[in-house]
Amino acid sequence: GAVVSQHPSRVICKSGTSVKIECRSLDFQATTMFWYRQFPKQSLMLMATSNEGSKATYEQGVEKDKFLINHASLTLSTLTVTSAHPEDSSFYICSADSSFRSVRGPQHFGDGTRLSIL
Amino acid sequence: SQQGEEDPQALSIQEGENATMNCSYKTSINNLQWYRQNSGRGLVHLILIRSNEREKHSGRLRVTLDTSKKSSSLLITASRAADTASYFCATEETSGSRLTFGEGTQLTVNP
Repeated sequence: GAVVSQHPSRVICKSGTSVKIECRSLDFQATTMFWYRQFPKQSLMLMATSNEGSKATYEQGVEKDKFLINHASLTLSTLTVTSAHPEDSSFYICSADSSFRSVRGPQHFGDGTRLSIL
Repeated sequence: SQQGEEDPQALSIQEGENATMNCSYKTSINNLQWYRQNSGRGLVHLILIRSNEREKHSGRLRVTLDTSKKSSSLLITASRAADTASYFCATEETSGSRLTFGEGTQLTVNP
């Protein structure tokens, strides 16, 4: 099946550090990738939709200068949390859409990144 | 905004019992999907049911969709301790490919 690899799985760093999270589709091409944020015992909140070769589409209330997204190839999207602060601590999850043309399919999720800002 | 509402929020049952989780939504959809999440992990896709389908089965899982009531249910039969996880419904709206997730049901299956 379709596999999405997300790295790193856990990051602990000081306030003010920028953190990059990678999301790779290992055995399929993903024209669209999604970045979610999840607080403890809550649902997933979509942050942005990342399209290969174009600018990401951010959800309302998500600061694009704070959460930089780059989707440089059909298998890699990155999320950079710039100048992270404790309130950015959260579980970040990416997913990739393997739909081909008009055939809709499920999203395939990475294992998430636990970000802790001290 | 999250349009999916799930109930119950938490469900605790004994091994061998059936577990039923419900999901309601508000807009027109292309499909509805159910995902499972173990603690601290990503989501695993379980079943996708399209808007023109009413019921779908996969192993011990049975999903129904009632578009007139804008609701879906996930039934897990003969539950096992390993089924303990959070279960989320997600709708793909007709307006695009993004998924909107429900609040989830935390299922605990006691051995």
